[in-house]
Amino acid sequence: KNEVEQSPQNLTAQEGEFITINCSYSVGISALHWLQQHPGGGIVSLFMLSSGKKKHGRLIATINIQEKHSSLHITASHPRDSAVYICAVRSGETSGSRLTFGEGTQLTVNP
Amino acid sequence: KAGVTQTPRYLIKTRGQQVTLSCSPISGHRSVSWYQQTPGQGLQFLFEYFSETQRNKGNFPGRFSGRQFSNSRSEMNVSTLELGDSALYLCASSRSGSNTQYFGPGTRLTVL
Repeated sequence: KNEVEQSPQNLTAQEGEFITINCSYSVGISALHWLQQHPGGGIVSLFMLSSGKKKHGRLIATINIQEKHSSLHITASHPRDSAVYICAVRSGETSGSRLTFGEGTQLTVNP
Repeated sequence: KAGVTQTPRYLIKTRGQQVTLSCSPISGHRSVSWYQQTPGQGLQFLFEYFSETQRNKGNFPGRFSGRQFSNSRSEMNVSTLELGDSALYLCASSRSGSNTQYFGPGTRLTVL
């Protein structure tokens, strides 16, 4: 069993739909990251969470430390949101911590 | 401020050769991490450098090595290349005390 599990692996939505991507992890963490990867490989860090909830524009990320679960929500989805979304957990101390990644969720938003 | 840059962007090598990839972090960032991304294994952590010292290392064979220079630029080296080393190699930099990482565009290595 992977230390970081994402679901779903693939998601197709219509423009305007509300989207949720889930991430569960099995190790102790100091922080959880949500990353976005567009075709061609470029990765952008969307959120870093250690507790609670963060919002940036149409994106919302939540984390439940007790449940070891995080969700990424996209409201009013748009075709430009089409990308791979990757959950990554940071474990260890800052001086020597590492990221462990989920397999990613391929999101396609159709116009 | 310029982002993280990686050179070269694309590289083709043959089995048994060695390769060196370069990463220049954002100015002022002293931490550089390297990752390998393959279709089968996804993203995996290779190693992290901070102030010229390796702080952490992933589960990769000794053929994978790296170093960091006094200007925080980092290189990674893969010796005796294997077909399975074909991957996108990403580096990311961060400021001291921050866990937010900024990724470079990656180097796509193809081993024939």
